[in-house]
Amino acid sequence: EPEVTQTPSHQVTQMGQEVILRCVPISNHLYFYWYRQILGQKVEFLVSFYNNEISEKSEIFDDQFSVERPDGSNFTLKIRSTKLEDSAMYFCASSVQAREKLFFGSGTQLSVL
Amino acid sequence: GEDVEQSLFLSVREGDSSVINCTYTDSSSTYLYWYKQEPGAGLQLLTYIFSNMDMKQDQRLTVLLNKKDKHLSLRIADTQTGDSAIYFCAESITGGGNKLTFGTGTQLKVEL
Repeated sequence: EPEVTQTPSHQVTQMGQEVILRCVPISNHLYFYWYRQILGQKVEFLVSFYNNEISEKSEIFDDQFSVERPDGSNFTLKIRSTKLEDSAMYFCASSVQAREKLFFGSGTQLSVL
Repeated sequence: GEDVEQSLFLSVREGDSSVINCTYTDSSSTYLYWYKQEPGAGLQLLTYIFSNMDMKQDQRLTVLLNKKDKHLSLRIADTQTGDSAIYFCAESITGGGNKLTFGTGTQLKVEL
């Protein structure tokens, strides 16, 4: 069964460093998303992306965050200057259409020291 | 704004039925979802229901939706130890694309 894949599974970085989290959505999906889950808290929406542009973003998704689809298969989340509070599990998701069900990857655990 | 609430913990014996409950506030929900998260793993879509339905059954899973009370439940028949996980309900709203609002998650523990 097709799945969303995320790399790396764990990422440790120093505060202030840039990180790039990578995702390969399901191949025929057109909509892509990032969510995050801080330990012990709810899964939160960050951003949705369609047709090479952001379609919606939450207030969490500030200027430190950016997303990109650099080629036909990858979808990336960049955090320019990481803060301690960016430590979380980051989930990528994709869907065929905007109101179709979301399929999530297994997540990247980001630890900012 | 949207808010989704769940009880935090449920313990059942193997073979019994589990019922996980969820309440939501936004009456313009379009889809309501149940996701399962096992330790160290991602969010696995279990089932979903469109907001104009009352019930959906999929093998051992039954989803009930009471739109008047904004209450969603997931019943797992013949619960097995492999069902031990965190279960999240989530809603998407009309015009919200696929921005999902998740509940806090219910930790299901299945005991022998």
